[in-house]
Amino acid sequence: SQQGEEDPQALSIQEGENATMNCSYKTSINNLQWYRQNSGRGLVHLILIRSNEREKHSGRLRVTLDTSKKSSSLLITASRAADTASYFCATDPTGFQKLVFGTGTRLLVSP
Amino acid sequence: GAVVSQHPSWVICKSGTSVKIECRSLDFQATTMFWYRQFPKQSLMLMATSNEGSKATYEQGVEKDKFLINHASLTLSTLTVTSAHPEDSSFYICSARRGKYEQYFGPGTRLTVT
Repeated sequence: SQQGEEDPQALSIQEGENATMNCSYKTSINNLQWYRQNSGRGLVHLILIRSNEREKHSGRLRVTLDTSKKSSSLLITASRAADTASYFCATDPTGFQKLVFGTGTRLLVSP
Repeated sequence: GAVVSQHPSWVICKSGTSVKIECRSLDFQATTMFWYRQFPKQSLMLMATSNEGSKATYEQGVEKDKFLINHASLTLSTLTVTSAHPEDSSFYICSARRGKYEQYFGPGTRLTVT
């Protein structure tokens, strides 16, 4: 079953702008992860944030987690055309040891 | 880094035939592997959890007899789509878990059933 809902479903921005994607989930989790997928390709792991963490950074990526609201956000700063891809959040529900993916956000960055 | 491979990367088969997809962890042992399917422009749906040496655990709504999973060793899991039909055409992705939280994904297999 789908665990997470992401919004927006699609996002179109210009190079240099920031992109923010949001993920909401339903149950308690061990951690939440963000992945990128280029069209028709495999997944690239971007970042993992544990349930006891509130914010994490990796390069141009900033992830926040609010367990009280069961939500997370991914911010990509100074976006580039190469960031064009689909982005998925995935949660590791407590007690299940498996990843359940959100619905995804399709990001288009125009030069 | 950890590498997971899938073979084949794409396959076309005729309706009614069976297709086997392999998932290998190349540089680590994985007691648990996962199989997902993804329809165009949609998210990944977990199909089953594959545990080495035991039966796979299928998600609700996934037909066990249709999608046979065998986790023969700590580095290999296979998914066999039996009696494939056009509606089984999809992108199948496996992942292998290393440690408690790390999961590494294969590049995916695109199945087209004609």
